[in-house]
Amino acid sequence: QQQVKQSPQSLIVQKGGISIINCAYENTAFDYFPWYQQFPGKGPALLIAIRPDVSEKKEGRFTISFNKSAKQFSLHIMDSQPGDSATYFCAASRGGTGANNLFFGTGTRLTVIP
Amino acid sequence: KAGVTQTPRYLIKTRGQQVTLSCSPISGHRSVSWYQQTPGQGLQFLFEYFSETQRNKGNFPGRFSGRQFSNSRSEMNVSTLELGDSALYLCASSRAGVSYNEQFFGPGTRLTVL
Repeated sequence: QQQVKQSPQSLIVQKGGISIINCAYENTAFDYFPWYQQFPGKGPALLIAIRPDVSEKKEGRFTISFNKSAKQFSLHIMDSQPGDSATYFCAASRGGTGANNLFFGTGTRLTVIP
Repeated sequence: KAGVTQTPRYLIKTRGQQVTLSCSPISGHRSVSWYQQTPGQGLQFLFEYFSETQRNKGNFPGRFSGRQFSNSRSEMNVSTLELGDSALYLCASSRAGVSYNEQFFGPGTRLTVL
């Protein structure tokens, strides 16, 4: 049972465009929602993370939008660049001693074309 | 600061054999988590060790085990290998065992079971 559902599976965006990836969860005990970026041959790397006490968090070109009532969160990549081409994973975890048990979405392969 | 290192990077084994993978966390990090990454199932949490104790465990059979040493280095062992165990095994370390600390992933060990 996939605890975090992610869509789309793949995404092609023109350079300069906006990339949007969506995730949904069911477990209301989740209270930490990170996004990871993975390049081929590398491990995932944390991009940005949010707690449910805020509805939006922005870091540079990356923004997380969080809707607690809908149990959904999304990643927006503004001004997408070819270097952003990678696989993106959303994740969720509970707090406390469960904080490092991340439940991942199935990933979105983003291709940014010049 | 050196990142998370995993050895070996690649392994080929045959069904029925056992395998041991090693992970050295970032200096000062006391929590080590292990994940299995496959095309079909995505990233799945195996277990987490903190201060030499297994604190969280995912939904994997008992053939998957691990341990952590006093210097925080960790090993995971898979016994009686099955074809379905072919995967990228990732370890991640974080500074402390609770709260929302970033997990830093290693490059993974690619295990192929023939």
